[in-house]
Amino acid sequence: NAGVTQTPKFRILKIGQSMTLQCAQDMNHNYMYWYRQDPGMGLKLIYYSVGAGITDKGEVPNGYNVSRSTTEDFPLRLELAAPSQTSVYFCASSYPGQGKYFGPGTRLTVT
Amino acid sequence: DAKTTQPNSMESNEEEPVHLPCNHSTISGTDYIHWYRQLPSQGPEYVIHGLTSNVNNRMASLAIAEDRKSSTLILHRATLRDAAVYYCILRDRGVNFGNEKLTFGTGTRLTIIP
Repeated sequence: NAGVTQTPKFRILKIGQSMTLQCAQDMNHNYMYWYRQDPGMGLKLIYYSVGAGITDKGEVPNGYNVSRSTTEDFPLRLELAAPSQTSVYFCASSYPGQGKYFGPGTRLTVT
Repeated sequence: DAKTTQPNSMESNEEEPVHLPCNHSTISGTDYIHWYRQLPSQGPEYVIHGLTSNVNNRMASLAIAEDRKSSTLILHRATLRDAAVYYCILRDRGVNFGNEKLTFGTGTRLTIIP
């Protein structure tokens, strides 16, 4: 199993640009999540999904969108990037009630 | 959400046991205690979780106080690869939508001294 994979690993965006962070898992997990982690801080939940076609907002959803068309994939869309979205983004997946598996992260800088 | 309190940082010598404390005085009867760790420049990694009884796995042991208001993650023989930030998180055991929204605080930064 590859586990949870994320692409790209690094990205620099200009203010106002858009991009999609990709996340895929091959463990057939129902639940998937997107977190962001600012320097020296804990993780904050952006969006999560309990299955294909079902998503919901976390703590900090503003400026982001998600979709879940398959069990395996959970892309995160940034529209109109802002400097406040400079962060490290982590995708995770799990079975209900079980430990979460995290991807290696995408380091995003918005300038 | 019930909150946890952890020391900001700890140090331990290599090859010695490490005891990482966590206080959760407002824990409810249905909360599991989860531990994750985050190595430098990596995503968090699940370590262990428990409800009432002490738990062991290949990575660590979890000792839970009888009143469940505190717990301790035990690394039996620390190596340099165990240097990481360790997070103690409470999660309601109900299997529903909202209970998956784990809140990661700032955790304990563990430094291993060679």
